[in-house]
Amino acid sequence: DVKVTQSSRYLVKRTGEKVFLECVQDMDHENMFWYRQDPGLGLRLIYFSYDVKMKEKGDIPEGYSVSREKKERFSLILESASTNQTSMYLCASGGEGLTDTQYFGPGTRLTVL
Amino acid sequence: AQSVTQLGSHVSVSEGALVLLRCNYSSSVPPYLFWYVQYPNQGLQLLLKYTTGATLVKGINGFEAEFKKSETSFHLTKPSAHMSDAAEYFCAVRGLASSYKLIFGSGTRLLVRP
Repeated sequence: DVKVTQSSRYLVKRTGEKVFLECVQDMDHENMFWYRQDPGLGLRLIYFSYDVKMKEKGDIPEGYSVSREKKERFSLILESASTNQTSMYLCASGGEGLTDTQYFGPGTRLTVL
Repeated sequence: AQSVTQLGSHVSVSEGALVLLRCNYSSSVPPYLFWYVQYPNQGLQLLLKYTTGATLVKGINGFEAEFKKSETSFHLTKPSAHMSDAAEYFCAVRGLASSYKLIFGSGTRLLVRP
């Protein structure tokens, strides 16, 4: 079974803090994704990586950066957290082919106070 | 540009009743369509997907969906709801225009009444 794990299920941070969300996959996938999930808005793509050290902006990259130093690990970074970044963050991997499935982690619910 | 519309943010059914969750898509190229389910406090799990060929697609847990090109729809159905089906369901589209990208609908929360 494909496994995508995320470092924290729940996280509480203060405004202005630097926040790291970590994601690890065990299926040797080239592609990894970070999404943000908000009620009524579905999932929105923040960043996508198609190889080590390679990344592309998604639909809502502002206020976020990413790092992919190893194939299995994809990190999302909030350089200076703000309250409007309070959300559920979902990592996914896979989907190299058009019909291939993306596999999701359990999510990190981030609250910024 | 591709987009997905899910009609109804909440759908409530009685246990044993038919489940119908609606999804309409917009795509200028042949779409690949997906339904994902999210159980409480979990990530998304693939229910089923349409790629090519048979337009009626069967998925896990008794769900199925029919691709209707003329109606640009990909509605999800299950003949008889079970309490364990209570979850949020997301329809998504993927196409050649942005091949890596899944475009998600806003989701439909299914409530199952005893």
